[in-house]
Amino acid sequence: GAVVSQHPSRVICKSGTSVKIECRSLDFQATTMFWYRQFPKQSLMLMATSNEGSKATYEQGVEKDKFLINHASLTLSTLTVTSAHPEDSSFYICSASVGQPSRGYTFGSGTRLTVV
Amino acid sequence: GQNIDQPTEMTATEGAIVQINCTYQTSGFNGLFWYQQHAGEAPTFLSYNVLDGLEEKGRFSSFLSRSKGYSYLLLKELQMKDSASYLCAVMDSNYQLIWGAGTKLIIKP
Repeated sequence: GAVVSQHPSRVICKSGTSVKIECRSLDFQATTMFWYRQFPKQSLMLMATSNEGSKATYEQGVEKDKFLINHASLTLSTLTVTSAHPEDSSFYICSASVGQPSRGYTFGSGTRLTVV
Repeated sequence: GQNIDQPTEMTATEGAIVQINCTYQTSGFNGLFWYQQHAGEAPTFLSYNVLDGLEEKGRFSSFLSRSKGYSYLLLKELQMKDSASYLCAVMDSNYQLIWGAGTKLIIKP
């Protein structure tokens, strides 16, 4: 149980275009979804926290207008990278709490974004 | 500031035991997590400690000392598939997860 489905798993886009990444909780309701970015050989960096039906909370240094987050339902959160540039190339992962801390946070499978 | 330290890389032999340490300084404490992450994949949950002591799950055990701000992950009977990065994360007083940089574990035959 507690599966988060994330897609696409890989995407290559041209500079200046936008890319949407979707995360769906399949068998539970994800009131809160966390969006992370991870560069090679580095740890997870929290970008923003999205709550269903309200505006996302962005971490310091993360551009709100560039990384648009929508959490319109309890089972779907999306991250749109707008006007992508090569420096946005990274591994993007979503995560949701499964309710009890002892069960941890479940992660989507990640999206490898390459901007050319 | 909030800080989590763990070794960057460790090497161990197949069949052996390895201990990965994690020290932390955070604003409050609501539990410590260990995750395993294979290259190019998302992290998977290994363990959660909120009280002092040892939690055992098969070949993996996790220990916590809140007074020392210290945890370790113990892996026994190492297998080649255990080669991965191991991430330590602490949930602070705001229930935010603070992540360590991860320890890359290399298993040699």
